[in-house]
Amino acid sequence: SQQGEEDPQALSIQEGENATMNCSYKTSINNLQWYRQNSGRGLVHLILIRSNEREKHSGRLRVTLDTSKKSSSLLITASRAADTASYFCATTREAAGNKLTFGGGTRVLVKP
Amino acid sequence: DVKVTQSSRYLVKRTGEKVFLECVQDMDHENMFWYRQDPGLGLRLIYFSYDVKMKEKGDIPEGYSVSREKKERFSLILESASTNQTSMYLCASSFTGGENTIYFGEGSWLTVV
Repeated sequence: SQQGEEDPQALSIQEGENATMNCSYKTSINNLQWYRQNSGRGLVHLILIRSNEREKHSGRLRVTLDTSKKSSSLLITASRAADTASYFCATTREAAGNKLTFGGGTRVLVKP
Repeated sequence: DVKVTQSSRYLVKRTGEKVFLECVQDMDHENMFWYRQDPGLGLRLIYFSYDVKMKEKGDIPEGYSVSREKKERFSLILESASTNQTSMYLCASSFTGGENTIYFGEGSWLTVV
């Protein structure tokens, strides 16, 4: 089974609204990362949050991490049509060396 | 900028053919990875390599092998392609140490007929 599971699987919002997606994982992690994938393309790294951090910001992105609940959230504020993509969380587990384990992703559609 | 280049964007192969997917990175990364991505299943790790000539199985290595003769190049080999290997294949690389951010290629769409 996958280490990370995103929720919801799909999200449709209007331009200007905020988009929030969640990621849950099962075992202890070193860090958690969020990646974005435009349709049919490779993944691009967005933001990383370490296990000892609770919140991190980068531009219009806000990531939170709750290690007690083994969950993270990604918030995209003031969304734009160009934010339409799939978003994946990925975890680096303490016992897994350099391997990243990805969740199934959240497909976000931002309607103009 | 880091660049991970996958040699073929789209391939169509016949069942039973031997298939090579090539990947090159230009940032002297120690680690390289091959994932496959299927609808509803997310990204699954096939193999990874943390050094030249070193390889480790990922979560779904069956039916695949890999080769890493040079640091910058990591090849995925399908010895005898089957229709259930029709998928998008993603190569990635990263530094050892640091925070394990990985960099992806654009993907190779393989169709086995």
